[in-house]
Amino acid sequence: VVMTQSPATLSVSPGEGAALSCRASQSVGINVAWYQQIRGQPPRLLIYGASTRATGIPARFSGSGSGTEFALTISSLQSEDFAVYYCQQYNDWPPFTFGGGTKVEIK
Amino acid sequence: QLQLVESGGDLVKPGGSLRLSCAASGFTFSDYYMSWFRQAPGKGLEWVAYISNSGSYAIYADSVERRFTVSRDNAKNSLYLQMNSLRVEDTALYYCASAGTLNWFDSWGQGTLVTVSS
Repeated sequence: VVMTQSPATLSVSPGEGAALSCRASQSVGINVAWYQQIRGQPPRLLIYGASTRATGIPARFSGSGSGTEFALTISSLQSEDFAVYYCQQYNDWPPFTFGGGTKVEIK
Repeated sequence: QLQLVESGGDLVKPGGSLRLSCAASGFTFSDYYMSWFRQAPGKGLEWVAYISNSGSYAIYADSVERRFTVSRDNAKNSLYLQMNSLRVEDTALYYCASAGTLNWFDSWGQGTLVTVSS
C-alpha cells in the first residue's frame, strides 16, 4: 500500500491551524497512525485507528478519515509543533508503509 | 517508564556485518511484538523487520530479506538486528519500536547510526 502525503511542506504562523492529508493507494479501513518527528528526535505516536489520540497527546491534534483519505488537523500551532509528520498504514502488511512526510514550518 | 535504547551502530565497509541491540525497560518486554525501522539521512521512515513477542515469527522488508535477521532474548529484555552483506544504501539511523495492539508503533528508541562506506 502506497501512502501519499500532501503537501510536502506547509508554512503556518504560530496560533494558526494546519491540515495535513494522507492518501492510501487502496482501502486501509481506519488502520492508519500519525507520527510527529521533531528534528533530531525519534518519531512520536500521535494518532492511531485514524482518530484516537495516543496517551499524553494534546487535544489540539485530531485525526479523521477512513478508506483511502485521511487527515491530521492541528487546531492552533504551538512552537513545539513545528516538525515533520508521517502517516503509516497497518492494514495490509508486510510491509508497514509510511507516507513521505509533511514538514510543518514556521511562516 | 517505558524506555528503548539502541546500540551497536558503527562505520562499516560494504559487504561487512554489524549487530544492533535494543535494550528495553519499564514494561513487560515479552508481551510485545517489536520492530526495527530506519531513516536514511534527510529521508523518511522505512520499516525493516518485525518479530513476534515469543520470537517465533519474523518478517522483513524486501530490501533486507536474506541479509538481516531480527531476534530477541526475552530473559535479557533485548531485541537484536544482525545485519550481513551491508550495502551503502543501508546507511541510516536505525530505530527499534514497540508495536501496539494492531501494529501502530507506540514507543521508539533514540536510534543508532549505521554508516556503510569504503
